[in-house]
Amino acid sequence: NAGVTQTPKFQVLKTGQSMTLQCAQDMNHNSMYWYRQDPGMGLRLIYYSASEGTTDKGEVPNGYNVSRLNKREFSLRLESAAPSQTSVYFCASSDTIKTTSYQETQYFGPGTRLLVL
Amino acid sequence: AQTVTQSQPEMSVQEAETVTLSCTYDTSESDYYLFWYKQPPSRQMILVIRQEAYKQQNATENRFSVNFQKAAKSFSLKISDSQLGDAAMYFCAYRSAQGGSEKLVFGKGTKLTVNP
Repeated sequence: NAGVTQTPKFQVLKTGQSMTLQCAQDMNHNSMYWYRQDPGMGLRLIYYSASEGTTDKGEVPNGYNVSRLNKREFSLRLESAAPSQTSVYFCASSDTIKTTSYQETQYFGPGTRLLVL
Repeated sequence: AQTVTQSQPEMSVQEAETVTLSCTYDTSESDYYLFWYKQPPSRQMILVIRQEAYKQQNATENRFSVNFQKAAKSFSLKISDSQLGDAAMYFCAYRSAQGGSEKLVFGKGTKLTVNP
């Protein structure tokens, strides 16, 4: 049981390049999330997916797109990277079916460090 | 909109001693969840403890406990018998219990140093 996995762990991009960050979870969770973490800040929500086939904007969605490929996978795409998108990106998942005492708790992946030059 | 405030950017504690990290939040909702996450240098976000707002009893997980004061909108984390491995950034987070409000709102974090 690997939990939440993210690839790549580290990436350097040039301004204007595109890339996709991958996330997968094996906990059969319904909801998945993408956050970014900048120095001196807590995590801020970019996009989330409450269930397979649905996605919604979070606090800072501009410059990003997401795809909920299936229940396990939730990808984040940068179409034209900008230096302001240099950050650490975290994927998380949670089970919003109210059957367990740990419902609603989000479990995080190890993060992807992205540097845009 | 909900906000979470951690007023202590940095804290330090001697090994084996007790330390309390502060967190306050602002919300007009009555039902919600509160969390403390730990982020060690590896950057992994690790759940430390959670609290449901409707529960009056403070949550406890081994050496970690919270002091939840709903009326004061305060949610502090107490770490007893501090260990070197407790050194990390600690984030307080809020989540609404209303359907469709999926996001966690994080504070800016408190850096905890544990001195041997």
